[in-house]
Amino acid sequence: EAGVAQSPRYKIIEKRQSVAFWCNPISGHATLYWYQQILGQGPKLLIQFQNNGVVDDSQLPKDRFSAERLKGVDSTLKIQPAKLEDSAVYLCASSPRRDRVNNEQFFGPGTRLTVL
Amino acid sequence: SQKIEQNSEALNIQEGKTATLTCNYTNYSPAYLQWYRQDPGRGPVFLLLIRENEKEKRKERLKVTFDTTLKQSLFHITASQPADSATYLCALATYNQGGKLIFGQGTELSVKP
Repeated sequence: EAGVAQSPRYKIIEKRQSVAFWCNPISGHATLYWYQQILGQGPKLLIQFQNNGVVDDSQLPKDRFSAERLKGVDSTLKIQPAKLEDSAVYLCASSPRRDRVNNEQFFGPGTRLTVL
Repeated sequence: SQKIEQNSEALNIQEGKTATLTCNYTNYSPAYLQWYRQDPGRGPVFLLLIRENEKEKRKERLKVTFDTTLKQSLFHITASQPADSATYLCALATYNQGGKLIFGQGTELSVKP
C-alpha cells in the first residue's frame, strides 16, 4: 500500500511570497489533516477534512493560509503572503474514517519550508 | 489552560536498558491517547493507542500505561536498541473534537551501544 505523498519536500521563499504544498493521501482514506510542526515542537493541526468538507479549521490563520480538497482526494495548502514565522515542516496525514475509535493517522514525509 | 507536556530534555540510555518516557496533561478529558515515533526528516509513525478505560497496552517491546487520575501516560521500551533512537510524541484525542489529535512537544531518545 502506498503511503501519504507530499511535494515538494523542501521549499525556500522570501517573506511576502506565496507558496503551495500538495498532498495525496492513502487511497480510500476519508479524513485528511494538515499539520504545522515548528522545530522542537509537536505537530499542530491546521485543518481537517472529511472527504471534501472542512471539519476543523480553528487553528488555521485564515488571513494568509488556505486549503482545499477538491473531489475528496488530494489536497493543497497555500500560504499567501508568507511570514518569517511560517518557517516549519508542513505535514499531511490521513486516516480511514473520522469517527472510528482507533483513529490512527498516517503521515507523509512533510514539506520543510524556510522563509527568508 | 489546556496543556500536554512531555520530558523536555533528551533521554540518554544504554543499550539493553528500559527507556521510560512521560506524557502529562491538564484540563483535558481524553478519550484515548496515542504514541508516535518520529525520525529526523520524516513524518510521525503510529506505535500504540490506549483508551481511557484501559490501564496498560503492550506491543512487542513497547508498553504504554494510562492513569486518568494522575493525568499521565508512561511509554516504556524494554531491551532498548540503538535503532530505537528517535523522538517520541504523545497525542491525545477528546470525545467532542471528532478525533482531532493534540500533540505534546516530543521527547528525544538516544540509545547508546
